[in-house]
Amino acid sequence: ETGVTQSPTHLIKTRGQQVTLRCSSQSGHNTVSWYQQALGQGPQFIFQYYREEENGRGNFPPRFSGLQFPNYSSELNVNALELDDSALYLCASSLRNVLNTEAFFGQGTRLTVV
Amino acid sequence: AQSVTQLDSQVPVFEEAPVELRCNYSSSVSVYLFWYVQYPNQGLQLLLKYLSGSTLVKGINGFEAEFNKSQTSFHLRKPSVHISDTAEYFCACLIQGAQKLVFGQGTRLTINP
Repeated sequence: ETGVTQSPTHLIKTRGQQVTLRCSSQSGHNTVSWYQQALGQGPQFIFQYYREEENGRGNFPPRFSGLQFPNYSSELNVNALELDDSALYLCASSLRNVLNTEAFFGQGTRLTVV
Repeated sequence: AQSVTQLDSQVPVFEEAPVELRCNYSSSVSVYLFWYVQYPNQGLQLLLKYLSGSTLVKGINGFEAEFNKSQTSFHLRKPSVHISDTAEYFCACLIQGAQKLVFGQGTRLTINP
């Protein structure tokens, strides 16, 4: 058990809708990263948040956006959902420290777009 | 750009046999290397990591990996597997000071009795 919790665990949405996924980071961790894992693929980096600001972004369109709150929890928002957005969305928390590069992952949110 | 290649998409082995899961990375700068395991319908769990120092790294559940800079490899090994090791295994790299983990495509390890 890593202490990183994500909600909901499963979600079904219709194409064109918007979705918000949530992540509570491990106690003491100040950095949250989001990854998309399509079926049969490795996770792909979406973006990272540190001190409530986006701190690095992968190759994802602007309709993928996020927030980080003062308690370091985070949200991933996806607008105008497309069928290809169906995937497992993983949140990872870490401590931004040059000596500590370990990220702890949550169990993920499985999003299905129909 | 960095990339990670896992050379085998599936590896079937018999219980109590040894196993090696292969991983090669490409980067022009120094990286940290990781192996994660993913059980069905679960997130990722860290097996082991290489940051610096000894090139042989020991992790949880009896796994170990060896960093080979000249061959840009970080292969994962276990001398004797158990049914419970059935899972998807991901190799990943992180540029020192950067934000994102770059993952390979994964290797599905199937243990047959």
